[in-house]
Amino acid sequence: DTAVSQTPKYLVTQMGNDKSIKCEQNLGHDTMYWYKQDSKKFLKIMFSYNNKELIINETVPNRFSPKSPDKAHLNLHINSLELGDSAVYFCASSQNPADIQYFGAGTRLSVL
Amino acid sequence: AQSVTQLDSQVPVFEEAPVELRCNYSSSVSVYLFWYVQYPNQGLQLLLKYLSGSTLVKGINGFEAEFNKSQTSFHLRKPSVHISDTAEYFCAVRPKTGANNLFFGTGTRLTVIP
Repeated sequence: DTAVSQTPKYLVTQMGNDKSIKCEQNLGHDTMYWYKQDSKKFLKIMFSYNNKELIINETVPNRFSPKSPDKAHLNLHINSLELGDSAVYFCASSQNPADIQYFGAGTRLSVL
Repeated sequence: AQSVTQLDSQVPVFEEAPVELRCNYSSSVSVYLFWYVQYPNQGLQLLLKYLSGSTLVKGINGFEAEFNKSQTSFHLRKPSVHISDTAEYFCAVRPKTGANNLFFGTGTRLTVIP
């Protein structure tokens, strides 16, 4: 079984739409993260959740909102999609905020 | 603040030749150091990490890296590369105190030539 899984793997949508990316981890970890990888392959933290509490919230637009129904899931909701949102989004998890992070395979979002 | 510099965006190397991927960092606090590998169309996989102790750390697939505190470097090496090593390699740091973000470099694309 995949430790950190993301769905969908590819997401193509129009500007202005609202979309969600799901992330699930079966490692029993307490902390989950979302990273954005831009077209130049630069990776940057967006959010992290520890025991369902937001502990890091980088300066991302408020159109992006993480939602965690339980500690095994951290979904990323994006409202009013813009062209600049096109990127690969990676979910990750760790046992605690100070532990090693394990990454999912990524979701390639293309906004047309 | 933390920053990570990977000086080489692309490194072509012939199969069975040695390779070194360079990583330098700057930080106002002590950091942990990591190398992640991203194979084509896949997620990031932890290659190796330096948390404490011996400055020479060994990772998966025959890779190793050496932490040099005075030069603030954490270069990745492999004595003999294989075609399957073709991938994007990311150096990352995480502060030992404060926020637990991973700060990544911009990556080095290693291409192994047959």
